[in-house]
Amino acid sequence: NAGVTQTPKFQVLKTGQSMTLQCAQDMNHNSMYWYRQDPGMGLRLIYYSASEGTTDKGEVPNGYNVSRLNKREFSLRLESAAPSQTSVYFCASSVGTTGTIYFGEGSWLTVV
Amino acid sequence: AQRVTQPEKLLSVFKGAPVELKCNYSYSGSPELFWYVQYSRQRLQLLLRHISRESIKGFTADLNKGETSFHLKKPFAQEEDSAMYYCALRADAGKSTFGDGTTLTVKP
Repeated sequence: NAGVTQTPKFQVLKTGQSMTLQCAQDMNHNSMYWYRQDPGMGLRLIYYSASEGTTDKGEVPNGYNVSRLNKREFSLRLESAAPSQTSVYFCASSVGTTGTIYFGEGSWLTVV
Repeated sequence: AQRVTQPEKLLSVFKGAPVELKCNYSYSGSPELFWYVQYSRQRLQLLLRHISRESIKGFTADLNKGETSFHLKKPFAQEEDSAMYYCALRADAGKSTFGDGTTLTVKP
């Protein structure tokens, strides 16, 4: 099992460019998440999808959009990248809204 | 609102010494609490959860509802324990709140 797979692993963007981070899980999980990890600020929830067909804002949703394409896939889009969005992004999933969360390997995004 | 506080950003101990990583939470109901660990160049992964009440890699954590704490402890630290540790709370449906993390360094 690959678990949670996210792409790309590394990306450099210019301010104002757009991009989509892709995420897929093969564990038949219902819930999926996008977090960002910044030094000294821990993990902050951007958006989550409790189940297929639903998405909700997390703690820091501004500047992002998400799509729960199907049960397996949950993408994160930056419409107009800003330097403040330079971060490490983690996709994650869980069976339901309780229990253990399983993380992807992370995507390092730099906006210049 | 739910909140998780890890008061120590950095913690350094010598090999063989006891280690305690502190975690305090605020939540009005009954939370699920977890410790996650991120070793160098690896993905974040579950270390233990309070429901299972088990010891993983020599670590234990007890939920203290009176003090709203879930401190992580190990009696004898090993160099391979060096990592970033996150305390997390799951309460409101679909949301997990993570602390800011503690970087543990175990010196030889």
